[in-house]
This record gives sequence, structure tokens and C-alpha cells, in this order.
Amino acid sequence: DADVTQTPRNRITKTGKRIMLECSQTKGHDRMYWYRQDPGLGLRLIYYSFDVKDINKGEISDGYSVSRQAQAKFSLSLESAIPNQTALYFCATSDRAVQETQYFGPGTRLLVL
Amino acid sequence: AQKITQTQPGMFVQEKEAVTLDCTYDTSDPSYGLFWYKQPSSGEMIFLIYQGSYDQQNATEGRYSLNFQKARKSANLVISASQLGDSAMYFCATHYGSSNTGKLIFGQGTTLQVKP
Repeated sequence: DADVTQTPRNRITKTGKRIMLECSQTKGHDRMYWYRQDPGLGLRLIYYSFDVKDINKGEISDGYSVSRQAQAKFSLSLESAIPNQTALYFCATSDRAVQETQYFGPGTRLLVL
Repeated sequence: AQKITQTQPGMFVQEKEAVTLDCTYDTSDPSYGLFWYKQPSSGEMIFLIYQGSYDQQNATEGRYSLNFQKARKSANLVISASQLGDSAMYFCATHYGSSNTGKLIFGQGTTLQVKP
């Protein structure tokens, strides 16, 4: 079984709808991250969390919110989706004791019409 | 502010040959890490190799090695004996903000195509 899972893997939604992307991990890592990737570009950080009570904004947090329900679960919400939020979204985890290498989930492809 | 530059949008290499993917970085932090990730056409991000700024030796992981030249702020990925399965997009990344935060900033990537 995958260490970092994301649901859904693909989603089509309409402008103005609220949508939640979920991430779960079995690696036992404290730190979790949400990134988005636009076509032909590298990843950009949306939010990150060092533990359940520690959540921080990344580079591009506007239009997004997150919830860290447990050590293993970190959800990303788009309160009112807009077309330029169409992207590939990745969740990642890291263990600060081990070089801070981040391990990524398989990604969620989101299309906002 | 930290920055990662990958100047090669696309590269071709013949199967079984070695290839070098370029990465330069800009950071003011005295301690930082450099990472390479592979993204095949299926989309997942696969961790390949890590180099710490204070590591004396270049990192190696199987066919991957990182040519770390600190004075030049260069962290090139070398893939030896290329295989068809190496065809993918490759991203260089480093910490931004303090390395304690674990936050990563990525370059724009290099697409590698391995020819049979």
C-alpha cells in the first residue's frame, strides 16, 4: 500500500463550488504539505503543517484553506473554485529528523470549469 | 530569496549513455539541502537524491549522482547508463525560508527523453 494517498485522484468541478482534497499518510511523519503544479512548471507551496496545531501559509495560499484533522490527515479546501485553480495538486510529508526529504502522494488532477 | 534555475527545458540522450541535468541555486542560508525529483508521465513525484550543503562528498544513489559545486552554487544531476524508463521530467529543489521549515522551492524542470 502507498505511504501517502490522495483522494480523489481526478476531479472536475464548476466555478464557485466548494471542493476538498484529502491526504492521508502512513509514514508517521509530523510534517505535511500541499503543493500545486501548473503545466510545464515546478511545484509551488500552498500550505504546510508541522503538527496538528501548527499550520502555516505557503507561497500561494489565497483561495485555499486547510485542516489537519490528525497527524496522518491533511485536507485542502477550495472554498469557491475558480478556473485558474485548475492544476495538479500534491500532498507531501517529511520527517524533520531525516534530511527533510519530502515524500509525495500520487497527485490529484483538478479541473475547474 | 531562494531561487532554483534549471536552464534546460528539454534534453535528449541515447540509451546507455550518461546525461547531466543542470541546476543552479541561490540562497543566503548557511545550511541547506538540495534535492532532485523525477516526474514520469504518470504524474507522481519520485525522490531521487539529496545533498546537504555541508556534505563533503557528492551524493550518489545507484545510477544517480549529484555533482555539487558549492562555490558555483551548482547541483547538477548525473544519470549514468540511461534507460528508457528514465524518460521523465526532473526537478531540482532546495529549502526556502530556513532549512528548518522543510519548505521546498522547485525549479521549472527539465524534460529528459531517452532514445533507444
